[in-house]
Amino acid sequence: AQKITQTQPGMFVQEKEAVTLDCTYDTSDQSYGLFWYKQPSSGEMIFLIYQGSYDEQNATEGRYSLNFQKARKSANLVISASQLGDSAMYFCAMREGDGGGGFKTIFGAGTRLFVKA
Amino acid sequence: ETGVTQTPRHLVMGMTNKKSLKCEQHLGHNAMYWYKQSAKKPLELMFVYNFKEQTENNSVPSRFSPECPNSSHLFLHLHTLQPEDSALYLCASSRRGNGYTFGSGTRLTVV
Repeated sequence: AQKITQTQPGMFVQEKEAVTLDCTYDTSDQSYGLFWYKQPSSGEMIFLIYQGSYDEQNATEGRYSLNFQKARKSANLVISASQLGDSAMYFCAMREGDGGGGFKTIFGAGTRLFVKA
Repeated sequence: ETGVTQTPRHLVMGMTNKKSLKCEQHLGHNAMYWYKQSAKKPLELMFVYNFKEQTENNSVPSRFSPECPNSSHLFLHLHTLQPEDSALYLCASSRRGNGYTFGSGTRLTVV
């Protein structure tokens, strides 16, 4: 069975500093995808970054990078130079398979990030 | 606007009512999804449609009835709901295995 674990219910970070949000996953599949989403207080879920299980390099998207450690089954999100607008819930997610058809993605419980001025 | 539009944004309904949630995307995505987000719980996958065919029903009670007439539109028909069904219902779409594009959600309150 799939499982996504985010052990940090809440995190604080000072503006302009970097922060790491933890995510571990469990799957028996060899092919899978890992995602991070941001949910501001407005409620909309925003896709941030994607890492495929066969990707050798860590994914990066602007200030977001995904620290993928396959052997440890971890996919931590690193946000560099935090901004006040980064305050939100962050969800780690995983889908099994190559995504060739309709597929299901499961989500972790989320981490609420607070950025302090 | 994300490209995925959900209506209504807010809905209050009695337990004997029948209502429908609507989701529309014009991103050319082939897959569409319904998720339920309750307070203090992870997002729960409800239904998956790929090219308007249902590929996943995650043991959802029959009082929730999805409909996907084409790849751009997805409905969730609601009837005889319970107060515990109050939640944020999120629609999403995707192309193959790429990240989802979510709508803004419908905040449902069952009274």
